[in-house]
Amino acid sequence: QVTLRESGPALVKPTQTLTLTCTVSGFSLSTSGMCVSWIRQPPGKALEWLARIDWDDDKYYNTSLKTRLTISKDTSKNQVVLIMTYMDPVDTATYYCARYNIPATGLDYWGQGTLVTVPS
Amino acid sequence: QSVLTQPPSVSAAAGQKVTISCSGTSSNFGNNYISWYQHLPGTAPKLLIYDNDKRPSGIPDRFSGSKSGTSATLGITGLQTGDEADYYCGTWDGSLSTWVFGGGTKLTVL
Repeated sequence: QVTLRESGPALVKPTQTLTLTCTVSGFSLSTSGMCVSWIRQPPGKALEWLARIDWDDDKYYNTSLKTRLTISKDTSKNQVVLIMTYMDPVDTATYYCARYNIPATGLDYWGQGTLVTVPS
Repeated sequence: QSVLTQPPSVSAAAGQKVTISCSGTSSNFGNNYISWYQHLPGTAPKLLIYDNDKRPSGIPDRFSGSKSGTSATLGITGLQTGDEADYYCGTWDGSLSTWVFGGGTKLTVL
């Protein structure tokens, strides 16, 4: 059974760095074709894709947020980590991780999400 | 502003059919595949359609997808109150090497 679970702080102060962890089970991050993306949804707004890391360690970032994001993985721990620097109140959102299994083209499994609040 | 364009809302009566459109450009649609997601408040988004028109296991055939040129459509037949949700289209834009979502469409079942 494939599952993904996000974890991280619920509250982050402005200018601080956010570190989120996605712990996966039911598949290996080193299996060919396996990719994990981070997506967020600010309250009342649309989904926004943030970053993706592939089985071969290729990494991709949202163009607008690229300078603030770092994605990495620890295959032995079955974890994908997203770091976002210089947090701002506009970064308040529910953050999701999701699996992308090439060659299929959809985000087929999602975590339940974790709400991160940046107070003003 | 989202890269892919969806209507903000659609509505239809229970038991009827509704379609949700998603439009883009040749850059992001091109030869890329479209997927669709159902998002109920407080839950994880669910994949409904991938590869333009394929349904994952467990998704009823009331849900269908199609793509033509720079537009795609999600169809839902036999509408149920449980279908009330936000629906998003998305695709991997190979030219930008980024994933892009539509702005989402809120479905109301009357």
